[in-house]
Amino acid sequence: GAGVSQTPSNKVTEKGKYVELRCDPISGHTALYWYRQSLGQGPEFLIYFQGTGAADDSGLPNDRFFAVRPEGSVSTLKIQRTERGDSAVYLCASSLRFDRYNEQFFGPGTRLTVL
Amino acid sequence: AQSVTQLDSHVSVSEGTPVLLRCNYSSSYSPSLFWYVQHPNKGLQLLLKYTSAATLVKGINGFEAEFKKSETSFHLTKPSAHMSDAAEYFCVVSRTNSGYSTLTFGKGTMLLVSP
Repeated sequence: GAGVSQTPSNKVTEKGKYVELRCDPISGHTALYWYRQSLGQGPEFLIYFQGTGAADDSGLPNDRFFAVRPEGSVSTLKIQRTERGDSAVYLCASSLRFDRYNEQFFGPGTRLTVL
Repeated sequence: AQSVTQLDSHVSVSEGTPVLLRCNYSSSYSPSLFWYVQHPNKGLQLLLKYTSAATLVKGINGFEAEFKKSETSFHLTKPSAHMSDAAEYFCVVSRTNSGYSTLTFGKGTMLLVSP
């Protein structure tokens, strides 16, 4: 079956521009997560959705970052006024449930480069 | 707070020799622990998970890990390395908040396999 997909796979933008990154979770997965992986680091949690609502956005670095999931499926991560420090791979994951033993399935990521 | 420390940023082995990737964790309660693997340009894939049912956990592709509470360790091993095992490996602890969980990743260990 289809896994988690993310588009675009690569995004190059200029400092100060606005970008949107899209995530299509596995069908039927109610839990959706965004992570950011900077060069040489492990992924870091950004935000978690249960259904349509953001249950935990404690990992978003500042108010330039925002994410939505209006119909409980596809999610979009939005970054305003991009900075060079935002350059990273943005990973999306989904899971069938949200308990701590449940496997999160990851997409291939979107590599964002801010020039 | 939960955290994981991967003790080696790089590990080099020859094909056919044993693999040992070390991980120590810190958790205020009984943790859920995972190992994920990331091949170049591919998504993160779950290798195995510890859910408190058994301290020796077997995963895919011949990998296994042993949970040692007294040492706060969760090292990943494989008896005989294969060229296809070359990838980055992440030790992960699950952080549980009010009924849902998010993942905290280590910085990763790059496994290099030479012929």
